[in-house]
Amino acid sequence: QKEVEQNSGPLSVPEGAIASLNCTYSDRGSQSFFWYRQYSGKSPELIMSIYSNGDKEDGRFTAQLNKASQYVSLLIRDSQPSDSATYLCAVGVNRDDKIIFGKGTRLHILP
Amino acid sequence: SAVISQKPSRDICQRGTSLTIQCQVDSQVTMMFWYRQQPGQSLTLIATANQGSEATYESGFVIDKFPISRPNLTFSTLTVSNMSPEDSSIYLCRVAGTTYNEQFFGPGTRLTVL
Repeated sequence: QKEVEQNSGPLSVPEGAIASLNCTYSDRGSQSFFWYRQYSGKSPELIMSIYSNGDKEDGRFTAQLNKASQYVSLLIRDSQPSDSATYLCAVGVNRDDKIIFGKGTRLHILP
Repeated sequence: SAVISQKPSRDICQRGTSLTIQCQVDSQVTMMFWYRQQPGQSLTLIATANQGSEATYESGFVIDKFPISRPNLTFSTLTVSNMSPEDSSIYLCRVAGTTYNEQFFGPGTRLTVL
């Protein structure tokens, strides 16, 4: 059974600080990794994808991937109250765009 | 980005009945998937909707309970059959295009079974 593990939180971070979200996955053959943001009552929205070891930056977001450790993380710099949401880590399980999700980490940015 | 609609947006149904949920995309997409998100939980993949052939179901989900159609590259339906209160959930379709960044979720269908 392929699994994606996340700390459910809530993770509370002061406004302006860096929020760090972590994820581990079980399938060593996975090649694609995603972070989604889900606001309460809304559907998930893709914010980052990463495929190679190392860091990938997009604005205030940085995704980090370490395939040897089967570990993915998301850093949010200069956290804003609007970043308060549930962040879902997702992993691609084959070449047909099928992805599975972790249970999500609730992030709360404190004004 | 693709525009995806789902119908109905919500429904309240009686035990033992069936509900068909529609997912419509404004452009042709390669892949369509159906997920379930139970209250306070993450998304569970139900099946991959294959155009012109039978859907591919994940472990724990069967065609008799969740029949799926995909008659073309822009439309799919999921039926929740013989419903019980345990089927109360949000059902979402996800579409994927030619690259991994071309993937979007529909707005979801909130189903309550009494």
